[in-house]
Amino acid sequence: ILNVEQSPQSLHVQEGDSTNFTCSFPSSNFYALHWYRWETAKSPEALFVMTLNGDEKKKGRISATLNTKEGYSYLYIKGSQPEDSATYLCASELPNNDMRFGAGTRLTVKP
Amino acid sequence: DTGVSQNPRHKITKRGQNVTFRCDPISEHNRLYWYRQTLGQGPEFLTYFQNEAQLEKSRLLSDRFSAERPKGSFSTLEIQRTEQGDSAMYLCASSVAGINSPLHFGNGTRLTVT
Repeated sequence: ILNVEQSPQSLHVQEGDSTNFTCSFPSSNFYALHWYRWETAKSPEALFVMTLNGDEKKKGRISATLNTKEGYSYLYIKGSQPEDSATYLCASELPNNDMRFGAGTRLTVKP
Repeated sequence: DTGVSQNPRHKITKRGQNVTFRCDPISEHNRLYWYRQTLGQGPEFLTYFQNEAQLEKSRLLSDRFSAERPKGSFSTLEIQRTEQGDSAMYLCASSVAGINSPLHFGNGTRLTVT
């Protein structure tokens, strides 16, 4: 069974702070790493899909990096805003397209 | 693109009853996933289809759970003889085949077993 671990479990920051979370996954049998953002009462929404070691992707104030050799990915949020409050999920996709999620990091940004 | 649709949104049932949920994926998506999510946890993989073929099923899934995707379009998830531990949010997601293809999620079906 594939174990995808995310830390921290929850995070409270002030508006304007920059923050980052970690996703670790088994590096063997790796195919792709996904990040999703899940706001309360909505469905998870895709942020990034990354496949190559050293990959770095950016969308506005949010960026992510990938290290497939050591099995981790970081998600960074620069200048957090209250609307960034959500649960951030990462998922490791296997070559057979099976996709396993971590438990998520719940971010709360206080105004 | 009307998004992934799940019905019903909420289901309350008594222990021992059977329930069935439906998922309509985005029309051109050939992959369809079912996940279960309980409070404080991430989505837990249940099963996955490519077109009408069920390619993977979680070993954690008991025989009371069955999923179908008969024509490679919509899918149903049935839980027989429901138990209180089955209470959860059941999420459906779809994607197109190919690398770098993200999942598109429905709003989920929240099941409460009393």
